[in-house]
Amino acid sequence: AQSVTQPDIHITVSEGASLELRCNYSYGATPYLFWYVQSPGQGLQLLLKYFSGDTLVQGIKGFEAEFKRSQSSFNLRKPSVHWSDAAEYFCAVGLDSNYQLIWGAGTKLIIKP
Amino acid sequence: DSGVTQTPKHLITATGQRVTLRCSPRSGDLSVYWYQQSLDQGLQFLIQYYNGEERAKGNILERFSAQQFPDLHSELNLSSLELGDSALYFCASSVGGTGVTGELFFGEGSRLTVL
Repeated sequence: AQSVTQPDIHITVSEGASLELRCNYSYGATPYLFWYVQSPGQGLQLLLKYFSGDTLVQGIKGFEAEFKRSQSSFNLRKPSVHWSDAAEYFCAVGLDSNYQLIWGAGTKLIIKP
Repeated sequence: DSGVTQTPKHLITATGQRVTLRCSPRSGDLSVYWYQQSLDQGLQFLIQYYNGEERAKGNILERFSAQQFPDLHSELNLSSLELGDSALYFCASSVGGTGVTGELFFGEGSRLTVL
């Protein structure tokens, strides 16, 4: 079955430290890949997306993600986190054969001062 | 501000009751999506409308229904409510008819509590 896995339910990072959130998918073809962020009390907002081309994509708020076909992964990174990055992060995958995105369970990012 | 407006923001009701959640999409967006977010189920896609027509259906219960009106706003109707229906209900919109290639713009959600 098609699935998206975010293996970390929670991640705690010190302010100023680097961050990597993991996302793996199980599909045969290269899907469309997205990262969304949900700040407390807010709706989801698109951080970045990958459709094709350069496998390292830049997003808003200083985030980037790298698509690795061999690992079926699309991990989100940020070199130095800020307290305002505390939020829940969702990976989502789209296929041409579906109308809808398949969502990961989310990773909650906690920032230590 | 995403441009997607949802009302009400909070709703408390009793089991067996019926509620209606409303969503106004971003100006120019033709698609509206409804999602349910709960602690145990995560983010679940319920249903999508495109330009007034149902486009895709997800894990929507038979007790739930939705529609999109000519002015493109949408309503999600939840009936015979159960305790397990307590959740955050999100509306999202997009320009196109498919949610897999374009950006989805989410409202702030309607938090439903069933007592």
